[in-house]
Amino acid sequence: GNSVTQMEGPVTLSEEAFLTINCTYTATGYPSLFWYVQYPGEGLQLLLKATKADDKGSNKGFEATYRKETTSFHLEKGSVQVSDSAVYFCAPPNQAGTALIFGKGTTLSVSS
Amino acid sequence: AAGVIQSPRHLIKEKRETATLKCYPIPRHDTVYWYQQGPGQDPQFLISFYEKMQSDKGSIPDRFSAQQFSDYHSELNMSSLELGDSALYFCASSRRGLDTGELFFGEGSRLTVL
Repeated sequence: GNSVTQMEGPVTLSEEAFLTINCTYTATGYPSLFWYVQYPGEGLQLLLKATKADDKGSNKGFEATYRKETTSFHLEKGSVQVSDSAVYFCAPPNQAGTALIFGKGTTLSVSS
Repeated sequence: AAGVIQSPRHLIKEKRETATLKCYPIPRHDTVYWYQQGPGQDPQFLISFYEKMQSDKGSIPDRFSAQQFSDYHSELNMSSLELGDSALYFCASSRRGLDTGELFFGEGSRLTVL
């Protein structure tokens, strides 16, 4: 079935640093891919998505490009802020397309 | 805007007891998902319902059962609780399954089994 491997954290950065969180997946076909974020004390929420290969999803300064050649969907941000401190999850759908599979989550801590 | 409501937010039980978690989806959402997130673990899919029928089943133990009611709220029933059931249980809802690709999550119910 489909699966996801995500870069382990924690990732500790200073404000305005560049962020990359790696995510690779195995999937049947080319399903939509998602990044979810979990801020402290809150539920998961959608950060961005890409619905087909070579698409770039973006939101709040974060970007991720759906690369079918490398089966990757790495999350990037050019300049992180303290408010970006959270846990980030890469999430493809399961093989049946009926639910999302979550990676182990990468904790990002940004200091000023 | 209305969000997914989960209750209770915290629950403490003894081993072998039973527990029931409730989830109220966003209005007009017809699909509900349950996930279990153990300490330091990724959220694991348990079960989902679409239009009050079970649509998929993940790693839900036989001791657990769930259903979606006519008002679309869902309940997760857990019996013969074990220490390993201690986790954060998330409920999420969506419209038309994964068609839109976005799940809306509640803040979770934290179950502690002593």
